[in-house]
Amino acid sequence: GQSLEQPSEVTAVEGAIVQINCTYQTSGFYGLSWYQQHDGGAPTFLSYNGLDGLEETGRFSSFLSRSDSYGYLLLQELQMKDSASYFCAVKGYGQNFVFGPGTRLSVLP
Amino acid sequence: DSGVTQTPKHLITATGQRVTLRCSPRSGDLSVYWYQQSLDQGLQFLIQYYNGEERAKGNILERFSAQQFPDLHSELNLSSLELGDSALYFCASSGSGRDSNEQFFGPGTRLTVL
Repeated sequence: GQSLEQPSEVTAVEGAIVQINCTYQTSGFYGLSWYQQHDGGAPTFLSYNGLDGLEETGRFSSFLSRSDSYGYLLLQELQMKDSASYFCAVKGYGQNFVFGPGTRLSVLP
Repeated sequence: DSGVTQTPKHLITATGQRVTLRCSPRSGDLSVYWYQQSLDQGLQFLIQYYNGEERAKGNILERFSAQQFPDLHSELNLSSLELGDSALYFCASSGSGRDSNEQFFGPGTRLTVL
């Protein structure tokens, strides 16, 4: 089976950098994805890591280390609008998707 | 706007009833996924269809079933509803190959079972 763990909450101030970690236990997967969900909204795709290493998309970066069963999402130059829940997810070899429990990020002024 | 549409937006029904949720994927997307999100919970993957055929199954109850039609829209049928089925149900779609790594989510259907 597959399971993912994330911190339940993270708080940071505007302009800061925050890292949201995701550790996982899985028998095999294609890659690690990250999604953002604002309260009352639908999840929106942020990034995907199919290979180990860092992927950068604007203010957001994502990292994967398969040997450490670990990934993270890095948010730079935090803005108030970044306050949301962030989910990591893996796509297993059985084509199923497993999402982590989510991390609620609060950005303070 | 993700391009994925879901109807209805809200649904209120009673225990024991049956409902059907509908999803239209983005133009050109062959894959449709269904998820359940209970209050303050993560997303639970239910099932995936690809071009009309079931591709993967997650934690979908036997009381639930889904299908994808030739025009690629999908329906999720929930029967013998229980109070615990109250949740937000999302549909998502994606392309093929590398494009399958990015899912586009619809606005969701909020189901309330009384």
